[in-house]
Amino acid sequence: GQQVMQIPQYQHVQEGEDFTTYCNSSTTLSNIQWYKQRPGGHPVFLIQLVKSGEVKKQKRLTFQFGEAKKNSSLHITATQTTDVGTYFCAGQGGSYIPTFGRGTSLIVHP
Amino acid sequence: DTGVSQDPRHKITKRGQNVTFRCDPISEHNRLYWYRQTLGQGPEFLTYFQNEAQLEKSRLLSDRFSAERPKGSFSTLEIQRTEQGDSAMYLCASSLVNGPYNEQFFGPGTRLTVL
Repeated sequence: GQQVMQIPQYQHVQEGEDFTTYCNSSTTLSNIQWYKQRPGGHPVFLIQLVKSGEVKKQKRLTFQFGEAKKNSSLHITATQTTDVGTYFCAGQGGSYIPTFGRGTSLIVHP
Repeated sequence: DTGVSQDPRHKITKRGQNVTFRCDPISEHNRLYWYRQTLGQGPEFLTYFQNEAQLEKSRLLSDRFSAERPKGSFSTLEIQRTEQGDSAMYLCASSLVNGPYNEQFFGPGTRLTVL
């Protein structure tokens, strides 16, 4: 079955440093979504990528979808303490079943 | 509040008991998902409905798990004969088919503890 791997599992950064998390699927995806989960909270949708090679930006966040539609990344520029949380990618193949990665927990030190 | 709601928020039960959780999706959303999340893991898909039809249930963890969405609105997830390994957060999410962003809106979850 479809597997989605996400690295790293944890990332400690000093406030102001950049952060990147990577997501790799074992199969070609129809789309990939990114979610953020704050400690004690529930996942909140950030963005969906659909096209091969797509790049989308949301303020300090940059999302990329690979040319082969099997990998994706989320990059945060100049992290802030409000960026703390776990970032999940969720890939969908031919079905509507989303497969979530294990997540990358971002810890920002002031 | 027009978001996804789940009830109860916490459930403590003894091994062998049955439990039922309820999810109320955003009112106009026709797709509803159930997930399980354990510590340090991402949400694990269990099942989903489009309106009242359960379109995928092969991922339910065992035959002790069942879900319903009788009128295409709220949904229930039942676990029979609970085991300690069932302890987890159970999340519900809803979405709009063919919505502009295909995003899922998650509820706050029901945390199950099996003693």
